[in-house]
Amino acid sequence: SAVISQKPSRDICQRGTSLTIQCQVDSQVTMMFWYRQQPGQSLTLIATANQGSEATYESGFVIDKFPISRPNLTFSTLTVSNMSPEDSSIYLCSVATGTYGYTFGSGTRLTVV
Amino acid sequence: GNSVTQMEGPVTLSEEAFLTINCTYTATGYPSLFWYVQYPGEGLQLLLKATKADDKGSNKGFEATYRKETTSFHLEKGSVQVSDSAVYFCALNYITGTASKLTFGTGTRLQVTL
Repeated sequence: SAVISQKPSRDICQRGTSLTIQCQVDSQVTMMFWYRQQPGQSLTLIATANQGSEATYESGFVIDKFPISRPNLTFSTLTVSNMSPEDSSIYLCSVATGTYGYTFGSGTRLTVV
Repeated sequence: GNSVTQMEGPVTLSEEAFLTINCTYTATGYPSLFWYVQYPGEGLQLLLKATKADDKGSNKGFEATYRKETTSFHLEKGSVQVSDSAVYFCALNYITGTASKLTFGTGTRLQVTL
C-alpha cells in the first residue's frame, strides 16, 4: 500500500496566521483526501483533491479558509488560513489505494494560540 | 444519510480480557465497513474490513462481522494486550457521484492495563 509523508507533524501558530500542511505519497494516486479531527472528535472530511481540477469541499468547509493544491499525482497541500483557536485540530491526509483501501498520513497536530 | 455510531469510551480492560466495541451504521445501498486504529501519536491504520454482508474481517486477533440485518460491525478480540491500547474508529465507505468517501464514528479509546 502507499506510504504517505505528512509534515509538519505539529505546530503552534498565532491566531490570524496561516499554516500549510504538505503530503507526499510514494506512488501516484488519483484521489487525495483531507480530514480534520477536532479534540475528542471523529474525523471529518474537509475536501477531496484530484490532480488537475479544483478540490471538492464538503458542507461547512470553503476554499477561502482551506485552500488546497494538487500539482501532481504524488503531492498535495492544505492551507489553514486566518487561523483561530477553533482551528486547533489534527489534520490528516489520505489516499485511496486499491479496492476499498485508504492509507492515512501520520497527521499534523495544530494548536492555535 | 450515511452515519456510523460506536460506543463511547474510554474502555478500560485488564490484559487478556475479552473486548467488544460496538458499531452500528446507517447507509443507503451496501457500503463497505472498516475498523481503523490510531495508536498514540500516530496516524490511522487499517485494522480490518468487510465488503459485503456476512463477511468477517480479521487481523491481529481482532474480528468483526458485517451484519446487514442488524446494521452492525462490532469489533471483538478474545484476549487483549497492553499494546492494543489505542483509539479505534469504525467507518463506512460510500459512493457519491464518482467519488468514494469514508464516514467515521466518533472513536473509542481502549486502555489495557496489566
